[in-house]
Amino acid sequence: TAGITQAPTSQILAAGRSMTLRCTQDMRHNAMYWYRQDLGLGLRLIHYSNTAGTTGKGEVPDGYSVSRANTDDFPLTLASAVPSQTSVYFCASSEGSRSGANVLTFGAGSRLTVL
Amino acid sequence: GQNIDQPTEMTATEGAIVQINCTYQTSGFNGLFWYQQHAGEAPTFLSYNVLDGLEEKGRFSSFLSRSKGYSYLLLKELQMKDSASYLCALMDSNYQLIWGAGTKLIIKP
Repeated sequence: TAGITQAPTSQILAAGRSMTLRCTQDMRHNAMYWYRQDLGLGLRLIHYSNTAGTTGKGEVPDGYSVSRANTDDFPLTLASAVPSQTSVYFCASSEGSRSGANVLTFGAGSRLTVL
Repeated sequence: GQNIDQPTEMTATEGAIVQINCTYQTSGFNGLFWYQQHAGEAPTFLSYNVLDGLEEKGRFSSFLSRSKGYSYLLLKELQMKDSASYLCALMDSNYQLIWGAGTKLIIKP
């Protein structure tokens, strides 16, 4: 089934450790995004990539980094995790990024707990 | 600034109709989206409005009034499987999505 694959599904991480959340899409979408979802808050954009080779900062980029070496993969790295990064992380993609009709396809999410 | 607001939780009865409202303030507008998110799952696209009026898609309809900064999602003939959170999202002038916190809809038999 075409779509977005995220890994791991869930992870418990000690504060100070690094972690990479993986995201792969097979729809040949140009744009990819990383969001975090916390109780009582809307989805918040961490980083995005409009096309392979480019990335940009979203609303809450501090403590996170991304890379977009090719069209399909968009990993999110936490260099030194802190408890406030405990959240559910969603990767998403869309065909383009400059259209008002741009529909996002989301991965199943990665639940991260930082202790 | 930009702001988007929707009720935290609503309850409705199976077979009935429910309207979920979303109000927003923005300096630039490129459309309004509704997504459905079942507990523990990913959001999935429901509808997109960029012009004023009603868009109907089966049991679900979405309405937009740009002058009032207002949208609603109308769900008819409610089914138990409609129990989910409904997310309103505004696309601003930079084509960035601003998300509401979501409305949790509880369907009772």
